Amino acid sequence: DAGVIQSPRHEVTEMGQEVTLRCKPISGHNSLFWYRQTMMRGLELLIYFNNNVPIDDSGMPEDRFSAKMPNASFSTLKIQPSEPRDSAVYFCASSSRDRVRSGDIQYFGAGTRLSVL
Amino acid sequence: AQSVTQPDIHITVSEGASLELRCNYSYGATPYLFWYVQSPGQGLQLLLKYFSGDTLVQGIKGFEAEFKRSQSSFNLRKPSVHWSDAAEYFCAVVPPTGFQKLVFGTGTRLLVSP
Repeated sequence: DAGVIQSPRHEVTEMGQEVTLRCKPISGHNSLFWYRQTMMRGLELLIYFNNNVPIDDSGMPEDRFSAKMPNASFSTLKIQPSEPRDSAVYFCASSSRDRVRSGDIQYFGAGTRLSVL
Repeated sequence: AQSVTQPDIHITVSEGASLELRCNYSYGATPYLFWYVQSPGQGLQLLLKYFSGDTLVQGIKGFEAEFKRSQSSFNLRKPSVHWSDAAEYFCAVVPPTGFQKLVFGTGTRLLVSP
């Protein structure tokens, strides 16, 4: 298996532009997670999906952020409009457990480094 | 407040020396516990995890961790560090009431000197 695949690896954009980050989870996994990593806040969970349904989006910073999972093999995280403070590394992860409390392993993609100028 | 604490931001260890990275958590019940490693420009890779049972957990790359309930700790150890171990290490938990929600510590950056 190729693992969790994220694209693009790097994104540079100007303030006010729309940014779309993409993630392909590991085949067969039914949970997907979006994280953001910054120097100031470390790694923080933005949103996660179970069976394509958003379960918890309490970490989404504001309405400019939205995430979708139209099918089991694809998810997007969109920022519109983008701002310089959105500059960070965004990680996608997937796992194979369901909604109950689980310690199952989350497998991480290599991340997308976003720079908003 | 419920949290995961990694008190050391940076640690420098000589190659071949032993390593211990500290992690403490503050939850009412024992969470699931993990250690991840992040090499520069890379994603996170799981080193080991603890759910229950034997409190000494073996992981990949020669790492181990010991769960100590009385100290609410889950420290990561390696008897002999290699230069390739230089990376950032994250302790993480799935809280007792969390639906798979990984909560990360702030990370410890390991530097390995020759």
